[in-house]
Amino acid sequence: KAGVTQTPRYLIKTRGQQVTLSCSPISGHRSVSWYQQTPGQGLQFLFEYFSETQRNKGNFPGRFSGRQFSNSRSEMNVSTLELGDSALYLCASSSDSGGRTDTQYFGPGTRLTVL
Amino acid sequence: AQRVTQPEKLLSVFKGAPVELKCNYSYSGSPELFWYVQYSRQRLQLLLRHISRESIKGFTADLNKGETSFHLKKPFAQEEDSAMYYCALYTGRRALTFGSGTRLQVQP
Repeated sequence: KAGVTQTPRYLIKTRGQQVTLSCSPISGHRSVSWYQQTPGQGLQFLFEYFSETQRNKGNFPGRFSGRQFSNSRSEMNVSTLELGDSALYLCASSSDSGGRTDTQYFGPGTRLTVL
Repeated sequence: AQRVTQPEKLLSVFKGAPVELKCNYSYSGSPELFWYVQYSRQRLQLLLRHISRESIKGFTADLNKGETSFHLKKPFAQEEDSAMYYCALYTGRRALTFGSGTRLQVQP
């Protein structure tokens, strides 16, 4: 099976702009989670989607949003970009077979730089 | 509040030496813990989880609820073990709380 894919791999934006990142989960996986990784804060949970519904959300401002499509692909959007949004954004998918801790498989990430 | 602490940013050992990567957690519920590893230029991947009680690539980790720890151990380090290691705590509804990570450097 192909792994989790994320596009684009690199992005450069300026303050105030908005950005959309895309994630394609492993075939058959219905749960998609997003994480932000920065040198200062480490890996932090953003949100999780299942069957096009957001089931959980981390402690991030409303500028961070996401959605999931019927084919389980997911996008996340960040509006009014700030310098502090520069980070590696990771997507993870899991089968959500019913186990509380189904393994999360991570993508390679999208490196966002805000100038 | 849930928290995962990895006190060492860098752990440097020689090949063949024992390795212990420390992880402590704070969680009010029943903890479920994981170790993730990221090799150079590779994506983050699951190494092991405490509920499986398995040994992967010679690594083991035991959950100690009394000490709220989940240290990762290997008796004899190999150069290919050099990587970034993250301890993670499952905090419900598909969310993981990660520690800050420890870089393991195994010298020849």
